[in-house]
Amino acid sequence: KAGVTQTPRYLIKTRGQQVTLSCSPISGHRSVSWYQQTPGQGLQFLFEYFSETQRNKGNFPGRFSGRQFSNSRSEMNVSTLELGDSALYLCASSLVSGAQTDTQYFGPGTRLTVL
Amino acid sequence: GDSVTQMEGPVTLSEEAFLTINCTYTATGYPSLFWYVQYPGEGLQLLLKATKADDKGSNKGFEATYRKETTSFHLEKGSVQVSDSAVYFCALSGGGYQKVTFGTGTKLQVIP
Repeated sequence: KAGVTQTPRYLIKTRGQQVTLSCSPISGHRSVSWYQQTPGQGLQFLFEYFSETQRNKGNFPGRFSGRQFSNSRSEMNVSTLELGDSALYLCASSLVSGAQTDTQYFGPGTRLTVL
Repeated sequence: GDSVTQMEGPVTLSEEAFLTINCTYTATGYPSLFWYVQYPGEGLQLLLKATKADDKGSNKGFEATYRKETTSFHLEKGSVQVSDSAVYFCALSGGGYQKVTFGTGTKLQVIP
């Protein structure tokens, strides 16, 4: 079974631009979560989607948004990019909804560099 | 809110040495606990998990026991290999849909 895939793997943007990252979960998984990983802040939760609905959101500004499609694929958008948005963005999928015992499976991440 | 505290790294060990990476947590209720590993240039891989008190998770020679009385989930391995060099993250899932709280990560370097 294919794992979580993320595209693109690497991205370079300039300040003020916007960017869209894509995530395809493991087949059959309906929950998709997004995380930002930086050396200074570590792994921080962005948001989680299930059945096209955002059910949980971390403490990030409104410039960070996402959506999920009917096939469970998810996109994340960052508008008006800032230098501090440079990070590895990780997507994770899981099988069931709301179960704290459920395991998240991570993709390889998208490395975003903002110049 | 929920939090996870890991020992600071980097940790440098010789091959075949014993490994312990400490992890303690703060959470309401009864969270599930996880160890993830991240190899250079890759995403996170689940290493092991435990979902209730006194459970022991194990995988690839690594073990961790869910200790509710000490709110700990320390990672151990009896004999590390060079291929174990990576960053290890302790995490918990306790509240909210799929909101996983991670520790800061501990970098392990194993030298031959």
